[in-house]
Amino acid sequence: DVKVTQSSRYLVKRTGEKVFLECVQDMDHENMFWYRQDPGLGLRLIYFSYDVKMKEKGDIPEGYSVSREKKERFSLILESASTNQTSMYLCASSHQRNTQYFGPGTRLTVL
Amino acid sequence: AQKITQTQPGMFVQEKEAVTLDCTYDTSDQSYGLFWYKQPSSGEMIFLIYQGSYDEQNATEGRYSLNFQKARKSANLVISASQLGDSAMYFCAMRGSAGNTPLVFGKGTRLSVIA
Repeated sequence: DVKVTQSSRYLVKRTGEKVFLECVQDMDHENMFWYRQDPGLGLRLIYFSYDVKMKEKGDIPEGYSVSREKKERFSLILESASTNQTSMYLCASSHQRNTQYFGPGTRLTVL
Repeated sequence: AQKITQTQPGMFVQEKEAVTLDCTYDTSDQSYGLFWYKQPSSGEMIFLIYQGSYDEQNATEGRYSLNFQKARKSANLVISASQLGDSAMYFCAMRGSAGNTPLVFGKGTRLSVIA
């Protein structure tokens, strides 16, 4: 079974803090994705990566950066967290053009 | 560019009844894939079913089937014999033909199964 794990299920941070969200997959997938999910807006793509050290901007990259130093790990970084980044963050991975498999999600609250 | 439209924000269904969740898509690609995911209140997105644009048969996975009508650009999810555990958000998604492009998701339909 594909397994995608995320470092935290719930996270509370303060405005201005640097926040790291970690995602690890164990299926040797090339592609990894970060989405945020907000009520009424569905899933919006923040960044994705199709190889180690490669990254592509999604629909809403502003205020975020990513890092992919190893194939299995894709990190989302909030350089200076703001209250409008309070959201559910979902990581996913896929092999080439196949099905995306998701992690359990991280509910981030920025106070 | 791809676009997914789910017009039903919420639906109710009686336990043991069948329910259809609507999904229409827009793309100029000839080769594409369509997906359905389930998201229970716990938050995890669970893959349910996949349909390729060149698949001749409608996809089926247990109680889930995908009613694929290519000419109408629709890919409706049919859940048979609904169970209380089917209560969740359901998302339709698609991927085009170009490289490793991410999925494009609809805004989802919230399904509530009533005992």
